[in-house]
Amino acid sequence: GEDVEQSLFLSVREGDSSVINCTYTDSSSTYLYWYKQEPGAGLQLLTYIFSNMDMKQDQRLTVLLNKKDKHLSLRIADTQTGDSAIYFCAEHSGGSYIPTFGRGTSLIVHP
Amino acid sequence: DVKVTQSSRYLVKRTGEKVFLECVQDMDHENMFWYRQDPGLGLRLIYFSYDVKMKEKGDIPEGYSVSREKKERFSLILESASTNQTSMYLCASSPKNEQYFGPGTRLTVT
Repeated sequence: GEDVEQSLFLSVREGDSSVINCTYTDSSSTYLYWYKQEPGAGLQLLTYIFSNMDMKQDQRLTVLLNKKDKHLSLRIADTQTGDSAIYFCAEHSGGSYIPTFGRGTSLIVHP
Repeated sequence: DVKVTQSSRYLVKRTGEKVFLECVQDMDHENMFWYRQDPGLGLRLIYFSYDVKMKEKGDIPEGYSVSREKKERFSLILESASTNQTSMYLCASSPKNEQYFGPGTRLTVT
């Protein structure tokens, strides 16, 4: 089946930029998402990008999509301790109700 | 803002009990989903529903059933709880593409 891969952990210093990477296999992916999960909570939709876009910026968040390499990244500028969470990448094609999620990247922000 | 609520944040049940987890959304979304989340395994889809009274099995439906009698409510039922069903259960709703999640129910079966 289709797959979404992410690295499990990322550790950054407060104030630095964080880059969380994701690769996917479904060439018909239409929508790609980033979700954030804080400890003990559900997932919160952070941002999304359509497959016909290369980049999307929203305040401190920048999403880059390389459709040729099936690579998605989330950059968080000026990372704060409140950004510590698990970040999930997800994709789906327009013909499906069901997204495919990666296993999540735990972002640890230290002073 | 979309609001998805789940009936309990924490639940402790005994092996063999029948367990009901309820999920309610207030945005008239067609699609609703139940996932379980376990360390190292990510999110796994149990069941989903794309309309009232309609349901489809996900990747791990064994030991679970669901009910959707009203559009806003999607219930997950554990017919006879077992210790391997100890997990975090997440409900989500979706208008079409993006999903909106509830806060989760951490279920412990002893």
